Amino acid sequence: SQTIHQWPATLVQPVGSPLSLECTVEGTSNPNLYWYRQAAGRGLQLLFYSVGIGQISSEVPQNLSASRPQDRQFILSSKKLLLSDSGFYLCAWNPNTEAFFGQGTRLTVV
Amino acid sequence: ILNVEQSPQSLHVQEGDSTNFTCSFPSSNFYALHWYRWETAKSPEALFVMTLNGDEKKKGRISATLNTKEGYSYLYIKGSQPEDSATYLCAPDSWGKLQFGAGTQVVVTP
Repeated sequence: SQTIHQWPATLVQPVGSPLSLECTVEGTSNPNLYWYRQAAGRGLQLLFYSVGIGQISSEVPQNLSASRPQDRQFILSSKKLLLSDSGFYLCAWNPNTEAFFGQGTRLTVV
Repeated sequence: ILNVEQSPQSLHVQEGDSTNFTCSFPSSNFYALHWYRWETAKSPEALFVMTLNGDEKKKGRISATLNTKEGYSYLYIKGSQPEDSATYLCAPDSWGKLQFGAGTQVVVTP
């Protein structure tokens, strides 16, 4: 069966520090992978998606970047965090049926 | 980007009562309409994926309808139970990319 792992679960980082969130999928190959964010009081917003290794599409301009170094690995990064980067981040896999989500990362930038 | 609206933003329901809420979208230029149930500290869980105008799906006490011509979907909960308390998200699926509404938070009180 397919599973999706995301870590860490919570993170408190100072403004200006770097960020790396990792997501991996098991039990499938060449998955379509997505990063979503929920900022305080708002809905889930699509940040990035990837249809394969090295292929990244950004949905909204922002302080973050994404990378797909391996087929089943999707990484969300920032060189210097801003206060506005705080939120709940979800990695998702969508095999064109329903989407499956990781457990999420609660990021607080202080 | 679709402007997906969900209403109401939140609602309180007495145990045993039935309720419904709305997802509206200005355009039906999407592949499918998803509904998710999202409990605090958990991953969103898929409820329904609907693709056809007039589609109606049911899972236990929860059901959903889709009207792509008039741009809305309803989700119904019959005989609400405390375990139905969650945020319910709808999301048009534009070939893998989900555009989430802000959700309807449902609180069922005993």
